[in-house]
Amino acid sequence: DADVTQTPRNRITKTGKRIMLECSQTKGHDRMYWYRQDPGLGLRLIYYSFDVKDINKGEISDGYSVSRQAQAKFSLSLESAIPNQTALYFCATSGHGTSGGADTQYFGPGTRLTVL
Amino acid sequence: AQSVAQPEDQVNVAEGNPLTVKCTYSVSGNPYLFWYVQYPNRGLQFLLKYITGDNLVKGSYGFEAEFNKSQTSFHLKKPSALVSDSALYFCAVSAMDTGRRALTFGSGTRLQVQP
Repeated sequence: DADVTQTPRNRITKTGKRIMLECSQTKGHDRMYWYRQDPGLGLRLIYYSFDVKDINKGEISDGYSVSRQAQAKFSLSLESAIPNQTALYFCATSGHGTSGGADTQYFGPGTRLTVL
Repeated sequence: AQSVAQPEDQVNVAEGNPLTVKCTYSVSGNPYLFWYVQYPNRGLQFLLKYITGDNLVKGSYGFEAEFNKSQTSFHLKKPSALVSDSALYFCAVSAMDTGRRALTFGSGTRLQVQP
């Protein structure tokens, strides 16, 4: 979805390096998410944010941190990258409906990260 | 904890035949259920969702899904498959709670439609 953009699209880095993945959205949504996709495991939630002051850990937050710089921007950082963080990373956004769990999430194109 | 199972890693179907991609879920309380599709080198695209009401949900590209509460299933269906439907399909669930819980995804099912 062109309304959700991720940079970079591809990144190769070395073990121990700090990496930041960025996500921007023009949908005006309050909620933003970071997932990683691994073959055979589907998508797993890393962190999510329901507004600028609300950050929550997902099921696999160890080794990651996030920053919600503005309503439209949500960054994911790997403080010291390791090879098992090699994956496809997706950002997603959703609106703030009355039943938040029912909100449709809209995904960015993904960032393919390789840690050597 | 909520979970989703997609029991088939891959589904093969001939073009023009009906297709079914299976999904079962586990959640406390009533569920919200979603289907997403991922084409190669693309992000996930929303297909359809069940919130409440009619158990048969119609979505994009001719897809539909049937919610079955007793079997805790939400299978994706299409009456006549197209080669262009070949992609990776994900089922996802969230619970009808305060809304603070994000989606839980299944492991995905690759659909291959042969000409």
